[in-house]
Amino acid sequence: QKEVEQNSGPLSVPEGAIASLNCTYSDRGSQSFFWYRQYSGKSPELIMFIYSNGDKEDGRFTAQLNKASQYVSLLIRDSQPSDSATYLCAVNIQEYGNKLVFGAGTILRVKS
Amino acid sequence: GAGVSQSPSNKVTEKGKDVELRCDPISGHTALYWYRQSLGQGLEFLIYFQGNSAPDKSGLPSDRFSAERTGGSVSTLTIQRTQQEDSAVYLCASSLGGYSAGANVLTFGAGSRLTVL
Repeated sequence: QKEVEQNSGPLSVPEGAIASLNCTYSDRGSQSFFWYRQYSGKSPELIMFIYSNGDKEDGRFTAQLNKASQYVSLLIRDSQPSDSATYLCAVNIQEYGNKLVFGAGTILRVKS
Repeated sequence: GAGVSQSPSNKVTEKGKDVELRCDPISGHTALYWYRQSLGQGLEFLIYFQGNSAPDKSGLPSDRFSAERTGGSVSTLTIQRTQQEDSAVYLCASSLGGYSAGANVLTFGAGSRLTVL
């Protein structure tokens, strides 16, 4: 089992809709969870991180964490064409001194 | 520095030559990562440093790849006897490290694009 799993997509949503991106992880000891966005030809950039169960909101973005189910998600409200990118989930793995492990990413396409 | 600096930004080399890629992390960041990303692919983990030591070298593709970090700061990734399949963007990222809140927030450099002819 991969340490961090994401559906590769592409996930296509119409402009203005809610995009829901999902991620599961294998290490029950993980404490830190991150969402990064990567535009084509660019480096990944941090969107937000979450440590506690529940929801964390930042503008149009909401991260949701459920440690019991080992599941973290990212909701993007009022999706815009500029949100079209690859979204990477990252989770800290206690082994190897708290290393950060990335999923393969989900491609999101927002159609106008 | 203000951000993670990588050099060179572009490198074209001939098959069989050695190349060295450099990463200068954000000042004070103890954790440093190297990733490789081929066109249209995800991030491939290469190596992770905590300070000058590398707790996890499991991602290095072969013994042609090596990396070091000195003084807890600058890191170099060396690829010996380059092959065409080594062509990719090599990304470096750094974080504060440790276990405190925000310690694992990674900041990425712009990458070094390697092309092996």
